Amino acid sequence: GQNIDQPTEMTATEGAIVQINCTYQTSGFNGLFWYQQHAGEAPTFLSYNVLDGLEEKGRFSSFLSRSKGYSYLLLKELQMKDSASYLCAVRDLDSSYKLIFGSGTRLLVRP
Amino acid sequence: EAQVTQNPRYLITVTGKKLTVTCSQNMNHEYMSWYRQDPGLGLRQIYYSMNVEVTDKGDVPEGYKVSRKEKRNFPLILESPSPNQTSLYFCASSSSNQVGQAYEQYFGPGTRLTVT
Repeated sequence: GQNIDQPTEMTATEGAIVQINCTYQTSGFNGLFWYQQHAGEAPTFLSYNVLDGLEEKGRFSSFLSRSKGYSYLLLKELQMKDSASYLCAVRDLDSSYKLIFGSGTRLLVRP
Repeated sequence: EAQVTQNPRYLITVTGKKLTVTCSQNMNHEYMSWYRQDPGLGLRQIYYSMNVEVTDKGDVPEGYKVSRKEKRNFPLILESPSPNQTSLYFCASSSSNQVGQAYEQYFGPGTRLTVT
């Protein structure tokens, strides 16, 4: 079966660093995406990993370990505007167009 | 401005009354998709399309139809809506990477549908 797990909620302090984990068990793997979604808005693309390792993009970094079925999103120098849901999604191996999303992690950044 | 548009943004309807939610993108993307988002369940893919006249089922296709007659448009049709189709719906589009895989998706603003 297909399963993607993320923590439901996390809280962190402005200026701090937070790591949001994602574990997946899928019938195939062909890339992992992270999206940000503010309340009431559409998801927006943050990062993409298909090979093991760390991808850095400004304050955001994403890590992938395919052997462990594990990814994390690292947010540095947290700002209040980073309060949002963070969605992990895995691309299916059999279909290059099919994405499976986790339920998302709601991050609250406090002053 | 590159964007995905959806209409309507909000819709309240009654059980059994056919409706269509339109989706249009101006980025010449090959790939388009429909999702529904429900609390605690995340985004679930309903249907996707790899190009004109090519569509396939996602994880929750029951009760929905789609068509892709033009590259820019991908309407979602509910022939006989039921209350369990009350949800927030997103359309998305993306280009393909060098090996033909769908890459970064651009999402529309969402359509909040209530079926009574």
